[in-house]
Amino acid sequence: EAGVAQSPRYKIIEKRQSVAFWCNPISGHATLYWYQQILGQGPKLLIQFQNNGVVDDSQLPKDRFSAERLKGVDSTLKIQPAKLEDSAVYLCASSTTRTGWTDTQYFGPGTRLTVL
Amino acid sequence: AQSVTQLGSHVSVSEGALVLLRCNYSSSVPPYLFWYVQYPNQGLQLLLKYTSAATLVKGINGFEAEFKKSETSFHLTKPSAHMSDAAEYFCAVNHNTDKLIFGTGTRLQVFP
Repeated sequence: EAGVAQSPRYKIIEKRQSVAFWCNPISGHATLYWYQQILGQGPKLLIQFQNNGVVDDSQLPKDRFSAERLKGVDSTLKIQPAKLEDSAVYLCASSTTRTGWTDTQYFGPGTRLTVL
Repeated sequence: AQSVTQLGSHVSVSEGALVLLRCNYSSSVPPYLFWYVQYPNQGLQLLLKYTSAATLVKGINGFEAEFKKSETSFHLTKPSAHMSDAAEYFCAVNHNTDKLIFGTGTRLQVFP
């Protein structure tokens, strides 16, 4: 079974520029997550989708971050404009959410963003 | 609010030695607990999870963890470290949601 795919793997931009990340979850997984992992910290959930609806975006900085999951499959996360503190690894994960809260989340390799 | 605390941001062991990575949780109700491993330049991979069944949970790659309610702990152990175990390990908690709260991670180094 193919894993969670993410692109690009690395991105370097200057502050105030915009950037977009793409994620393709495991086939059949209804739930998709975007996490931000700042160096030296654990991943922090930014947004969670169930199919193409948003379940939780309480920690998404909505003034600059946006995300969508059209057709309930792949997803894009956008930052506009980027700030220095957005430098981090952005991880995408997916799960089946068949049994609920203990379903395993499968993570992609992440996109490492550097904002100069 | 739920949280996890991982004691020790870095742990170093010799190959063949016992691995012990510590995790304490804070939750007002019985939590679900997870250990994930992250190899360099890769995403996180689930090692094991506690879902209120057996308190001793066995995972992949020879790792296991024991849920101790009295100590609010879920420490990760492996009897004999291999060089390939060198990675960053994250403890995570959730309760009645699928929103994982991660600890800050412990980097494990294994010396020959």
